[in-house]
Amino acid sequence: DTAVSQTPKYLVTQMGNDKSIKCEQNLGHDTMYWYKQDSKKFLKIMFSYNNKELIINETVPNRFSPKSPDKAHLNLHINSLELGDSAVYFCASSQEGVSYGYTFGSGTRLTVV
Amino acid sequence: GDSVTQMEGPVTLSEEAFLTINCTYTATGYPSLFWYVQYPGEGLQLLLKATKADDKGSNKGFEATYRKETTSFHLEKGSVQVSDSAVYFCALTDNTNAGKSTFGDGTTLTVKP
Repeated sequence: DTAVSQTPKYLVTQMGNDKSIKCEQNLGHDTMYWYKQDSKKFLKIMFSYNNKELIINETVPNRFSPKSPDKAHLNLHINSLELGDSAVYFCASSQEGVSYGYTFGSGTRLTVV
Repeated sequence: GDSVTQMEGPVTLSEEAFLTINCTYTATGYPSLFWYVQYPGEGLQLLLKATKADDKGSNKGFEATYRKETTSFHLEKGSVQVSDSAVYFCALTDNTNAGKSTFGDGTTLTVKP
């Protein structure tokens, strides 16, 4: 039973298109995150939600919009895709508190052509 | 702000060699420290953690000790296996930063038979 599941696993799309990535966790965690991993494996946080409320919104283009319909789901919608958006996007969740680590999904590899 | 500096890779070792991956940090509060492992094509998995000074985290033969005096959390393993080949990330979560984890740049380890 997958703890944090993301769909789709691969996404190939043309520049200018709009796409969404979905994430669901069944761990009962209150906090969920979106991270972007570039080709050099660097991880950068994009957003964080706690119990459906946005608590972290890093410097990310307005074309990226997260949505959390409930605390078990955090989706990422991207408008007007650009070549530079190509990366692996990871969803993660955690319990509240600094001593808990994250549980990551398996990632969505987005390729913009 | 918080930061994590990891030993640059890639690191290549022979099977059964001793592994050390250095990690140092700066943080404004009292962070918890983590090591994550990312196998090819997968998401990050929590490997071990330590939540206060002098704590030792351990898992699967890997160990790291939280050293407040040197602000370090070096990862060690006495005898690596080919299956340990992966990217290793050091991270911290600070109680002053809305629970956001700060990740190092990752160190790629390749173990040859």
